[in-house]
Amino acid sequence: AQSVSQHNHHVILSEAASLELGCNYSYGGTVNLFWYVQYPGQHLQLLLKYFSGDPLVKGIKGFEAEFIKSKFSFNLRKPSVQWSDTAEYFCAVITNTGNQFYFGTGTSLTVIP
Amino acid sequence: DGGITQSPKYLFRKEGQNVTLSCEQNLNHDAMYWYRQDPGQGLRLIYYSQIVNDFQKGDIAEGYSVSREKKESFPLTVTSAQKNPTAFYLCASSIARDNTEAFFGQGTRLTVV
Repeated sequence: AQSVSQHNHHVILSEAASLELGCNYSYGGTVNLFWYVQYPGQHLQLLLKYFSGDPLVKGIKGFEAEFIKSKFSFNLRKPSVQWSDTAEYFCAVITNTGNQFYFGTGTSLTVIP
Repeated sequence: DGGITQSPKYLFRKEGQNVTLSCEQNLNHDAMYWYRQDPGQGLRLIYYSQIVNDFQKGDIAEGYSVSREKKESFPLTVTSAQKNPTAFYLCASSIARDNTEAFFGQGTRLTVV
């Protein structure tokens, strides 16, 4: 079965620090990749997605992610975090032959003002 | 407004009772999903459905049941056979073709006492 690994479980940063959250998946074929965010008390929202084309994708709120096929990775980045970025972040994958989304275990980000 | 509605937001039940969680969507999506979210474990798939009157077990289907009699509705029943039912339950939907992103409801927090 496919799996998604998020290596950072808890990350604490000061405002203006740069962020990179790791995501790796296990599937050799074509995949669609997603990053979702869950702000405290809110539902999961899509941050960005990759289907094909330019491996560097930009999402909402200044987030971006880079798909590196050779490393089976889709890391999330933001140059300068804000206190309002405090949330839980989930990486997800769906394969081109599959019909279900696989989620990582999530990374809890706390940004200190 | 288009979206996914889960009700209720909070649910309390006594041990041994079955309970049904509601999920309705007006996005005209074919696919619907139920996930369970536990701290440190991310989102785990319980059941999913690609079309009306058809559904498949996910990774943790034991102790749960679903139905898909209408395109817009995908209720989840947590039965007394589920060993550890207290959790946060998330419903999602997506367009089945093209593997586009999933949209999530606000979730239902079930507490069994």
